[in-house]
Amino acid sequence: EAGVAQSPRYKIIEKRQSVAFWCNPISGHATLYWYQQILGQGPKLLIQFQNNGVVDDSQLPKDRFSAERLKGVDSTLKIQPAKLEDSAVYLCASSPINRDSLYEQYFGPGTRLTVT
Amino acid sequence: RKEVEQDPGPFNVPEGATVAFNCTYSNSASQSFFWYRQDCRKEPKLLMSVYSSGNEDGRFTAQLNRASQYISLLIRDSKLSDSATYLCVVNRGATNKLIFGTGTLLAVQP
Repeated sequence: EAGVAQSPRYKIIEKRQSVAFWCNPISGHATLYWYQQILGQGPKLLIQFQNNGVVDDSQLPKDRFSAERLKGVDSTLKIQPAKLEDSAVYLCASSPINRDSLYEQYFGPGTRLTVT
Repeated sequence: RKEVEQDPGPFNVPEGATVAFNCTYSNSASQSFFWYRQDCRKEPKLLMSVYSSGNEDGRFTAQLNRASQYISLLIRDSKLSDSATYLCVVNRGATNKLIFGTGTLLAVQP
């Protein structure tokens, strides 16, 4: 079974530039998550989709971050404009539809963003 | 105060040692609990779920104390390949939202 795919794997941009990340979840997984992991910290949920609807975006800095999952499959996360503190690994994860809170989340390899 | 707090680490132990990690959570409404493992520059992967009755998977034993809001992970007979960061994770509820601790780095020395 193919895992969660993310691209690009690495990105270096200057502050105030824009950047976009792409994620393709495991086939059939209805729920998709974007996390931000800053060095030395655990992942922090930015946004959660179920199919193409947003379930939770309470920790998404909406003044600069946006995300979409238009067809309920792959998703893009955008930062515009980037700040130095956005330097982090952006992880995408997916899980089957939530009938049971014990469903495992499967993570992609992440995109390592450096803002200079 | 962070919602999930872990031992600061790092833990440096010799091969064969037994090591224990502790974790506390603040939200009493949390419903399920996990340990994830994260290798250097890799994504987190589920190590094991944690149940009130305790559960064991080979050399790994996890325990949950809901009254104390405390989770533990015990690794027996440490191997070099156990070197990684261990993340304590709490599932807050119906939306399957995971709250991660900062992780504890384990380095097993030959």
